[in-house]
Amino acid sequence: GENVEQHPSTLSVQEGDSAVIKCTYSDSASNYFPWYKQELGKRPQLIIDIRSNVGEKKDQRIAVTLNKTAKHFSLHITETQPEDSAVYFCAGTMFSGGYNKLIFGAGTRLAVHP
Amino acid sequence: AAGVIQSPRHLIKEKRETATLKCYPIPRHDTVYWYQQGPGQDPQFLISFYEKMQSDKGSIPDRFSAQQFSDYHSELNMSSLELGDSALYFCASSAPDRGVNEQFFGPGTRLTVL
Repeated sequence: GENVEQHPSTLSVQEGDSAVIKCTYSDSASNYFPWYKQELGKRPQLIIDIRSNVGEKKDQRIAVTLNKTAKHFSLHITETQPEDSAVYFCAGTMFSGGYNKLIFGAGTRLAVHP
Repeated sequence: AAGVIQSPRHLIKEKRETATLKCYPIPRHDTVYWYQQGPGQDPQFLISFYEKMQSDKGSIPDRFSAQQFSDYHSELNMSSLELGDSALYFCASSAPDRGVNEQFFGPGTRLTVL
């Protein structure tokens, strides 16, 4: 089955710096890769996603890139702010009857220091 | 906009008791997913339903069962509770038939087993 690995597990940056989180997946059939931000005790919130027919997608300070050949995708946050501090999860989908369960990476705890 | 609703938000049970968690998906979303998230861990897929039928099953113990009703709400029934069942339980919904592959998470139910 699908396996998603995520690195690093923790990331500490200064406000204004960029942050990059990387994920790899194992199932070449996966075609949808969302990123979720989760604050302590709160629900995961979708911040950006990418489909396998696209190589890059950007939304303001957040961008995601996908390399299908290498089976890896990355989240890029520019001009980080303290409110970006949270745990970020990447995920991949493995087709299962058309209704795709999410397989999550282990998460990256991002700390943005003022 | 209406979001996924979960109840109760907090639940405290004793070992060997039973618990029922409820999920009300976003209106017109016909697919429901259940995830379990332990402390410091990523969400783990339990089970999903599409149009009231089970569509996929993950790492759900035999002590747990779930169903989706005619109004699309779903219930997760947990019996013979164990200490290790203490976790955040999230429900998510989507509408893949309408091109809504994104999964939107509810606020979660925090289950504590004493």
